[in-house]
Amino acid sequence: AQSVSQHNHHVILSEAASLELGCNYSYGGTVNLFWYVQYPGQHLQLLLKYFSGDPLVKGIKGFEAEFIKSKFSFNLRKPSVQWSDTAEYFCAVIPGGATNKLIFGTGTLLAVQP
Amino acid sequence: GAGVSQTPSNKVTEKGKYVELRCDPISGHTALYWYRQSLGQGPEFLIYFQGTGAADDSGLPNDRFFAVRPEGSVSTLKIQRTERGDSAMYLCASSFGRGQDTQYFGPGTRLTVL
Repeated sequence: AQSVSQHNHHVILSEAASLELGCNYSYGGTVNLFWYVQYPGQHLQLLLKYFSGDPLVKGIKGFEAEFIKSKFSFNLRKPSVQWSDTAEYFCAVIPGGATNKLIFGTGTLLAVQP
Repeated sequence: GAGVSQTPSNKVTEKGKYVELRCDPISGHTALYWYRQSLGQGPEFLIYFQGTGAADDSGLPNDRFFAVRPEGSVSTLKIQRTERGDSAMYLCASSFGRGQDTQYFGPGTRLTVL
């Protein structure tokens, strides 16, 4: 079945460590790609999105993601995490031709230790 | 400005009862989406409105679920004869309804069916 996969379910890092969260999707053709974040007690917020153009996308709070079409991947990165980055991160895809419905991965819970 | 709001924030009901969940989108947003998030999972698409009409209801799990948006603004998700498996966080999102726009999420309604 077509899907969005996030391989890391739970990640624990120390402050200042580098972060990379994996996201793979199985839809062919054009896709729109997103990373959403949910901080403790808050609602889902958009971190960054890719529709077209430069495959390296920069988002808020120092996050970036790279779209690699040949690998069907859209991994999220941050060079140096902070305790305030503790949150759940969701990768999401709008497959080409879909009516703007987001298909989400299962999420990665990131805990940053001070 | 005001974000997406959802009421109630929590709803506890008994198996077999009828429930209504309300979503107030961001002013000016013509597109409205309902998602359901079970524990440990990413949000799952239910239905998408463009204006007053349901443009895509392919995610509604069965005919016990129904949603309306009679005036193109507020939407109500209705669940008949609730089952314990309906327990989840129900999320609403809205967007401008143009291509390549961002969906903004509300805080959700936590539904518990006893």
